[in-house]
Parts: sequence; structure tokens; C-alpha cells
Amino acid sequence: DAGVIQSPRHEVTEMGQEVTLRCKPISGHDYLFWYRQTMMRGLELLIYFNNNVPIDDSGMPEDRFSAKMPNASFSTLKIQPSEPRDSAVYFCASLISSGGVRDTQYFGPGTRLTVL
Amino acid sequence: ILNVEQSPQSLHVQEGDSTNFTCSFPSSNFYALHWYRWETAKSPEALFVMTLNGDEKKKGRISATLNTKEGYSYLYIKGSQPEDSATYLCAFRYGGSQGNLIFGKGTKLSVKP
Repeated sequence: DAGVIQSPRHEVTEMGQEVTLRCKPISGHDYLFWYRQTMMRGLELLIYFNNNVPIDDSGMPEDRFSAKMPNASFSTLKIQPSEPRDSAVYFCASLISSGGVRDTQYFGPGTRLTVL
Repeated sequence: ILNVEQSPQSLHVQEGDSTNFTCSFPSSNFYALHWYRWETAKSPEALFVMTLNGDEKKKGRISATLNTKEGYSYLYIKGSQPEDSATYLCAFRYGGSQGNLIFGKGTKLSVKP
């Protein structure tokens, strides 16, 4: 099993540019999560999907952020336009739900975004 | 606002030392407590999921305990090795929804040879 795959691993861009982060969840997993990791705030949930449908996007900071999941094996997180305060590590995680208390998220390696 | 606190923020120990750190979480609406190990530039890796008060889990030299009544969990590493150097994250799940997971900021452990 390849695990959760994220691309790119590193992205450096200039303020105002559009940034697209990509995620391939583990095959068969029915939940997908996008997180942002910063020193100040730790890991924050941005949005999550169940069976490709967005369930809760209340963590998305503002309208500049959008996420899609067109099929079970692919999701994108887009920032347009990007700002320096968006610089962070963005993680994708997936989970196969058994409906029980022990369901565990599996994380990708993250995308380190730097906005100059 | 639900808050998960981890202490200490960072820890420097010598190889062979045993160490422990704490995760504090709300004592109400408890569903599960997760521990993850995160090495720099790698994926956070699930260590334990704990669900019952008094739970104890063990994986090699790493073990964890859970007290849901008072809202804390301890992670212990016996005989630390340089390869244990990582950030250890705990996450508190407070309900049935899969999105109800709050992470602490982690304890960064450095083990010197």
C-alpha cells in the first residue's frame, strides 16, 4: 500500500499566485481530510469529505481557499490568490470508516508551502 | 472552545534515558484519544488509539496510559534511542463525527547519542 500521496512536497510561490495542492488517499478509504500545520496553531482541520462529498468546511479560512474531490482517488486544495500568511505545511489524511471509536486517520507527508 | 494541551513543548534527553510526556484534554464528551509520531519530512504515523478509561497500550519501548475522568494521557518511552527523535502528537476525538478530532501542538523529542 502506497499510503496517502501528496504533491508537490514543496511549493514556493509569490503573493497573488494561484496554488494547487493535490492528494491521493489510500484506496478504499471513504473519508478525506485537509489540515494546515503552523507553529502557532498546530494542526487545524480545514475541510473533510465523505464519499467525495464535502461534509464540513467550517475550518476553511476564507474564500480564497477551495477544495474539491472529483472522485474517490483524488482531491485538490486551491488557494487563489495566495498570501504570505498562507505559508504552512498542508496535510491530507484519509480514513476507512467502520463506524466505531477506533477509526484512525492516515496522513500523507504534507506539502510545505512558502508564499513570498 | 475545546483545547488539547501537550507538555512539555520540547524535550532533550540522552540515549538510554526514559522519558514521558502529557496530553490534557476535556473530560467531557470523550470518544477516543489518538497518539501519533511525526518525524520531520515524513507522514505522521498512528501509534495508539485509546478508548476506555484506564486503557494501557504498548508498542515496543513506547507505552501510553489514559485517564478519561481527569482528562489526561501519558506517553512513556523507555530507554530512548536517537531514532525516537520526533514530534509526538495527541488528538482528542469528542464525538461520533469523523471531523471531531482536535490535535495538540505536540511534544518535540530530541534524543542525543
